[in-house]
Amino acid sequence: KQEVTQIPAALSVPEGENLVLNCSFTDSAIYNLQWFRQDPGKGLTSLLLIQSSQREQTSGRLNASLDKSSGRSTLYIAASQPGDSATYLCAVSGGAQKLVFGQGTRLTINP
Amino acid sequence: DTEVTQTPKHLVMGMTNKKSLKCEQHMGHRAMYWYKQKAKKPPELMFVYSYEKLSINESVPSRFSPECPNSSLLNLHLHALQPEDSALYLCASSQSPSSGYEQYFGPGTRLTVT
Repeated sequence: KQEVTQIPAALSVPEGENLVLNCSFTDSAIYNLQWFRQDPGKGLTSLLLIQSSQREQTSGRLNASLDKSSGRSTLYIAASQPGDSATYLCAVSGGAQKLVFGQGTRLTINP
Repeated sequence: DTEVTQTPKHLVMGMTNKKSLKCEQHMGHRAMYWYKQKAKKPPELMFVYSYEKLSINESVPSRFSPECPNSSLLNLHLHALQPEDSALYLCASSQSPSSGYEQYFGPGTRLTVT
């Protein structure tokens, strides 16, 4: 059974810092990995999708990497801003149309 | 346009009521999903529709009844719910039912059962 773990559970950093969120998964047989952002009480916004054959994806200040063999992904956020404050979820797709989510990292950027 | 819409945004219902949640997408996606999310927890998959047919039911109680009238619309009919069913209900869609396609989520319906 696939298990996804996100560390840390919460992170608070001052504005302007670069930061890294971590995601690990137990079964390397995945199709892809998605990073989402969720604001309190809102839906999920897809940030980046990395296919299993890819090593990284970039969108603006965000960069996500994937090391399938070791079961790890990181989300790098450059020059953090207060508007980046949210919960960040990673999810892996291992087949059967199912996404398995981690518990999320609650990020707070302090002005 | 990568938008999935959900109505209503908020719903309060009693345990004897019947209500429905609605989800729409106009991206031509052929897979649609219902998720349930409790506070401070990740979303949990409830149902998957592939080409308007139910393909996955994650052992959801029968008081939740999904329906896919056409390729753009997904409903979730609610009846005789319990207070523990209070949660954020999220709809998602993807281009294909095949594994590996990006899922796009709607804003959710906040359901409170009294």
